[in-house]
Order: sequence, then C-alpha cells, then structure tokens
Amino acid sequence: AQSVTQPDIHITVSEGASLELRCNYSYGATPYLFWYVQSPGQGLQLLLKYFSGDTLVQGIKGFEAEFKRSQSSFNLRKPSVHWSDAAEYFCAVGFNDYKLSFGAGTTVTVRA
Amino acid sequence: DTGVSQDPRHKITKRGQNVTFRCDPISEHNRLYWYRQTLGQGPEFLTYFQNEAQLEKSRLLSDRFSAERPKGSFSTLEIQRTEQGDSAMYLCASRLAGDYEQYFGPGTRLTVT
Repeated sequence: AQSVTQPDIHITVSEGASLELRCNYSYGATPYLFWYVQSPGQGLQLLLKYFSGDTLVQGIKGFEAEFKRSQSSFNLRKPSVHWSDAAEYFCAVGFNDYKLSFGAGTTVTVRA
Repeated sequence: DTGVSQDPRHKITKRGQNVTFRCDPISEHNRLYWYRQTLGQGPEFLTYFQNEAQLEKSRLLSDRFSAERPKGSFSTLEIQRTEQGDSAMYLCASRLAGDYEQYFGPGTRLTVT
C-alpha cells in the first residue's frame, strides 16, 4: 500500500530565509508525486508535480522539488520565503487513475 | 471557467441527521473525486467517478455514505445518520482525462454536534 510521510508537523522560518519541506513515500511502482498548498479556508492548489525525467522540477511561486529514488524522497524547497508562503503544505502520491494519497501536512509559519 | 465549486461551504448538523453536499466540477472534466480531511491530517480518498460511473469506493466510505454523479456533471455526497466522527472537511476535485492535475474545490466543512 502507498503511504506518504511528512516528518515535520510545523516549521517556522524567517522572511527571506530558505525553506525545505521533507517528504518520504512508500509505493511499489513508479510514483507520481505532487506538492499542494492549502491556505486557511481554501482548497488545495498544486505547486508542482513529478512523473518522470528530470528529477528537479520547478513549480509555481518560486518552489522547486527534487525526486530522489534511492531515498524515496521528494523534498520541496524555496530559496527565499515571503510572508504569503505561510500555509499548510501537503505531499501526495498519485496511484491508480491518479487517486491521491496525502501526507499529514507541514504547517509553515513565516516570521517577519 | 470559475473552477470547482462546492455547496454549502459550511454545514452544522445534529447527530443522526442526514446531510447532502454538492460539487460542481470544471466543465468537460470527466473525472471527479471526493476526499475527506480531518483536523491535522491530509485529505483521504473516498470515491471517484468517471463520467456518471462510480469506479471505486474507499473502505472509509461506510454504508451511511452514498455518492452520485447523475449525467456525469455535478456530484452529490450524502451522509445518513451523521455521527460526530463525520465532522471533517469534504473536498471535491475534478480532472480532465489525459491531464494529471486534480483541481480542488474550497471544500464543505461539516460539524456534527
């Protein structure tokens, strides 16, 4: 069965500092991997996705993620965070017909 | 296109009552998914449709839950005899065949008192 682990429940980062969110997955086949962001009271917005090819993928809002098969990881990064990046971030694995299995999420707080 | 819409956005009900939620997907999206998100957790898959056909139901979907998608357009999710454990955010998403991205609606937050 597929599973997604986000080890960090909550991260606090200063505005302008770099951010890295960790994601590890367990899935028997080639994974389809996603990062979503959810602001309070809002639905989920796709930041980026990986299916194959280049293991470093670029997304919206200046985010990028790197797929490492040997570590079963798909970590999300941003070089310089903005106050508007405060939100909850979810890593997800897509399986049969792109049903998604999500991690528990990481809440990001940005301090001035 | 205005995206995926869900109605109502919030629902408070008493235990034992029935509730129904509606999801309007993006036009032309033939795949429609329902997820449930409890506090502090990521969304969990409940069920999905290809056009009007319900293709799969998660074991999370007890027999008190039923979902429909008549005519392959909007979908409804009904919960009968609600329990406090049903309190959650219910998210709907849609996808166009051949596209990878699921587009999520804002969700319906259910509170069972």
